[in-house]
This record gives sequence, structure tokens and C-alpha cells, in this order.
Amino acid sequence: DVKVTQSSRYLVKRTGEKVFLECVQDMDHENMFWYRQDPGLGLRLIYFSYDVKMKEKGDIPEGYSVSREKKERFSLILESASTNQTSMYLCASSFENTEAFFGQGTRLTVV
Amino acid sequence: GEDVEQSLFLSVREGDSSVINCTYTDSSSTYLYWYKQEPGAGLQLLTYIFSNMDMKQDQRLTVLLNKKDKHLSLRIADTQTGDSAIYFCADREEYGNKLVFGAGTILRVKS
Repeated sequence: DVKVTQSSRYLVKRTGEKVFLECVQDMDHENMFWYRQDPGLGLRLIYFSYDVKMKEKGDIPEGYSVSREKKERFSLILESASTNQTSMYLCASSFENTEAFFGQGTRLTVV
Repeated sequence: GEDVEQSLFLSVREGDSSVINCTYTDSSSTYLYWYKQEPGAGLQLLTYIFSNMDMKQDQRLTVLLNKKDKHLSLRIADTQTGDSAIYFCADREEYGNKLVFGAGTILRVKS
């Protein structure tokens, strides 16, 4: 079974903190994604990566950066967390042109 | 950019059929997906359909695709309380790796 693991289920951080959300997949997928999920807005793509060290901006990249140093790991970084980044963050991975597999999500609260 | 739209809420009685609808704008879609999200969990792939198909059946699930109208539906026969969840429609663009998601339809099953 494909496994996509996010390092935390719940996080509470203070405004201005630097926050790292980690995601690891064990299926050698080329593609990895970070989405945020907000009520009524569905899933919005923040960034995705199609290879090691390669990244592309999604629909809402502002306030975020990413890192993909190894194929299995994709990190989402909030350089200076703000309250409007309180959300559910979902990581996913896929092969080329196949369905995406999701992690269990990280609920981040910024206070 | 591409857009995927769904109604936000559907309520049905246990044992009835549920039909969740989705419309999309991308005429070059290759695959369309239905994902299910249970409370507190990530997204789980339910089923998918290739764009040259009209229908796909998988046990209690039937997916119908009207490519001319860019309309996708998911029918759940004999809906059970365990089917209560959020259902997301997603569209894969032809030459990319990205999935574009709808806002999600909350399905509530009354016993």
C-alpha cells in the first residue's frame, strides 16, 4: 500500500514563527504536492514538485516555500506564520499521470 | 485557469441513492476522480474515470461522465451512514501533473 505520512496531525504555532510541515512517501513517486483545505474552498494547491530540487508554484504560494532535497520527502515552510495560515494542510504524491495519494493532514493553528 | 464546481451539501436517508454532481471547465481533461474524506482524515481515492468513457461502475458506485456538457456525477446506491463524508471531484489536466479539486460536497446520511 502507498503510504504518505505527514509528521504532525495537529500543530499550534505563534504568529511570526517559522513552521516546517514534513511529508514522506514510500512509493518512489516523482510528484509531490502541498494543498491547504478550508471550508467552502475545497483544496487549493500551494506548491508541487515533479522531481528532486524541482518545484512549481500552485495557486496560492504567497507566504510559503518548499524544499525537496530527497525524492521521498517534501517540506512546506511557513517563513513567518500568520493567523490567516490557520488551516488543514494536505500532502499528496503521485506517479506521472496517475491518481494522487494523500497523507492524513496536519491541522495548523496560528495564534 | 481550470475550475471544478460542486454543490456543497446533500442530505439523504439511509438506503436511498445519493447523486453528487460536478462540473468542470477543462476540455482537455484526461482523468476525473472522486475522493472521499472522512472526519479528521486525509483524502481517499474512491474511483476515477478516463475521459473517453461514459460510465464506470464499481459495486455501489456509478460514475457518469458527460464530456460534451463537462458534467461528472457519482451515484452511491443504498447509501449507508458510513458513507457520510465530504466528496471531492478532481480533474487532471492533459499535460500536467496537477489535480484541480472542487470545493467538496458534504454528504449527510440520516438513519
